Amino acid sequence: NAGVTQTPKFRVLKTGQSMTLLCAQDMNHEYMYWYRQDPGMGLRLIHYSVGEGTTAKGEVPDGYNVSRLKKQNFLLGLESAAPSQTSVYFCASSSTGTGGEKLFFGSGTQLSVL
Amino acid sequence: GQQLNQSPQSMFIQEGEDVSMNCTSSSIFNTWLWYKQDPGEGPVLLIALYKAGELTSNGRLTAQFGITRKDSFLNISASIPSDVGIYFCAGSSGSARQLTFGSGTQLTVLP
Repeated sequence: NAGVTQTPKFRVLKTGQSMTLLCAQDMNHEYMYWYRQDPGMGLRLIHYSVGEGTTAKGEVPDGYNVSRLKKQNFLLGLESAAPSQTSVYFCASSSTGTGGEKLFFGSGTQLSVL
Repeated sequence: GQQLNQSPQSMFIQEGEDVSMNCTSSSIFNTWLWYKQDPGEGPVLLIALYKAGELTSNGRLTAQFGITRKDSFLNISASIPSDVGIYFCAGSSGSARQLTFGSGTQLTVLP
């Protein structure tokens, strides 16, 4: 019953460092998403993917890149971390068609940029 | 972009009390969803609503899709300690990539 798995759970970076967050889902979902959660602001969509090999920008894409080389994996990269990217990051997946807006979330990655 | 106003921002209630929270939108939505986030975890879907006026229950939880399609309500009856968490509403006008989330209601249940 793994569902959506995110690694790592916690990370501390210095300004300018780079890192990659990994998301894996075992539900054979077509759609995958990366969100960031900040206090009092709910969840905001960073990037998403509607299938293997595809990616698209969400609401707040600047400073992030993504890749979906395999259907089950969705990677989020920070090339040069900034303090404004301190946040909790959630990966999610969903199926296509009716009910596709029902997202299944991972347990999150707490990222601090110093 | 679309804006969702979720209220209240936080609630402190006694165990056994009923709870009500709501979301309003400046735009019409085709789907309303309610999620709950436990501390240290990702949000989990509670209820999905697809039709204006629809009233759906999931145990002690009841949610309604407003007639105007611009609002939704979530009620929790006879609250228990495990109801503690953040409740998010989310609205969609077409697909998951068009989901807009509310800012959340932090619920604390006092013994």
